[in-house]
Amino acid sequence: DAGVTQSPTHLIKTRGQQVTLRCSPKSGHDTVSWYQQALGQGPQFIFQYYEEEERQRGNFPDRFSGHQFPNYSSELNVNALLLGDSALYLCASSVLNQPQHFGDGTRLSIL
Amino acid sequence: GDSVTQMEGPVTLSEEAFLTINCTYTATGYPSLFWYVQYPGEGLQLLLKATKADDKGSNKGFEATYRKETTSFHLEKGSVQVSDSAVYFCALHPSNFGNEKLTFGTGTRLTIIP
Repeated sequence: DAGVTQSPTHLIKTRGQQVTLRCSPKSGHDTVSWYQQALGQGPQFIFQYYEEEERQRGNFPDRFSGHQFPNYSSELNVNALLLGDSALYLCASSVLNQPQHFGDGTRLSIL
Repeated sequence: GDSVTQMEGPVTLSEEAFLTINCTYTATGYPSLFWYVQYPGEGLQLLLKATKADDKGSNKGFEATYRKETTSFHLEKGSVQVSDSAVYFCALHPSNFGNEKLTFGTGTRLTIIP
């Protein structure tokens, strides 16, 4: 049973560029959440998708956007990249009232 | 808003020592509480959970008890191993319907030396 899978594993971009990160949820899960983990910090909630809609959003600017597809997979898009966007981006999937399961993340480096 | 405070790290212990990592929280209502572990280069793995006051979560020799009166969820293990070296995160999930975000502490890096 595959867990949460994320791609790519690592990514290097320059300031001002745009990036798309991808996530496939654990089998049977219908909800996807995205978190940003800066170096040495705990993950910070970006947003959550359910039934192809953004259900809840954290304190992140509009440069961060997402999408959920009918097969429950999800994308995180970040526009106009800043140096401060360098972080590990984690995807988590879940079903109602059950704990979130995390993927191994995408390490994004901005030069 | 919700918040989680963990003891400052890093923590270094010898193998077979007793481990305690403190965690306290601030939240309205009755949140669910979790400990997640992150090994180098990996994502977060759920270690244990507790969903109501006085519940004890346990897994792989680790335990934590949900203490409503002290708003705490301290992680303990009686005898640590080198393989327990990792970063440990305490987290809460709010009880109010429609609020689904996990709030994490800053993490505690644990190193076990042989």
